[in-house]
Amino acid sequence: GQSLEQPSEVTAVEGAIVQINCTYQTSGFYGLSWYQQHDGGAPTFLSYNALDGLEETGRFSSFLSRSDSYGYLLLQELQMKDSASYFCAVRDGGSARQLTFGSGTQLTVLP
Amino acid sequence: EADIYQTPRYLVIGTGKKITLECSQTMGHDKMYWYQQDPGMELHLIHYSYGVNSTEKGDLSSESTVSRIRTEHFPLTLESARPSHTSQYLCASGDSGNTIYFGEGSWLTVV
Repeated sequence: GQSLEQPSEVTAVEGAIVQINCTYQTSGFYGLSWYQQHDGGAPTFLSYNALDGLEETGRFSSFLSRSDSYGYLLLQELQMKDSASYFCAVRDGGSARQLTFGSGTQLTVLP
Repeated sequence: EADIYQTPRYLVIGTGKKITLECSQTMGHDKMYWYQQDPGMELHLIHYSYGVNSTEKGDLSSESTVSRIRTEHFPLTLESARPSHTSQYLCASGDSGNTIYFGEGSWLTVV
């Protein structure tokens, strides 16, 4: 099986930088993804890391360390609209076609 | 922009009723998924499909059933709804890549 851990809540102010961590345990590993979900909405894809290192997409970056079974999502220049839940997800080797989600981190951006 | 549609978006039904939640995608994706999510909580995989006539149960036990007769269509059926089935049901699809695309969700309330 697989399990993922991420903080339940993070609060930051507009313009700040916030990092959301995710640690995972899987029988195999095919990559770590991040999804954003606004209240009442559907999750939307943000980023994917299969190899170690940092992937940057605009204000959002995602990092992976496979040796540490750890990754993070970095959000820069926070805006009010970034208030949402952020989920990390892994595709494992047990069934590479499945995507298992963490419990989500509720990010609140304050003015 | 993902083309995956769910109906109904909102539904209130009585205990014991049979309900089918519809999900269709126009992207030709082989893989399709059903997740169950309570408000503010994590996503639980309840069913997934690799392709036509291929379905499997996910990690969360569910009394629902699914079918995949056509690539684009992946309906979920509850034969006898109970109040414990009250939740949001999210359909998703993906191809050989690492991104899955979610529908807007179906909010089910069983009274």
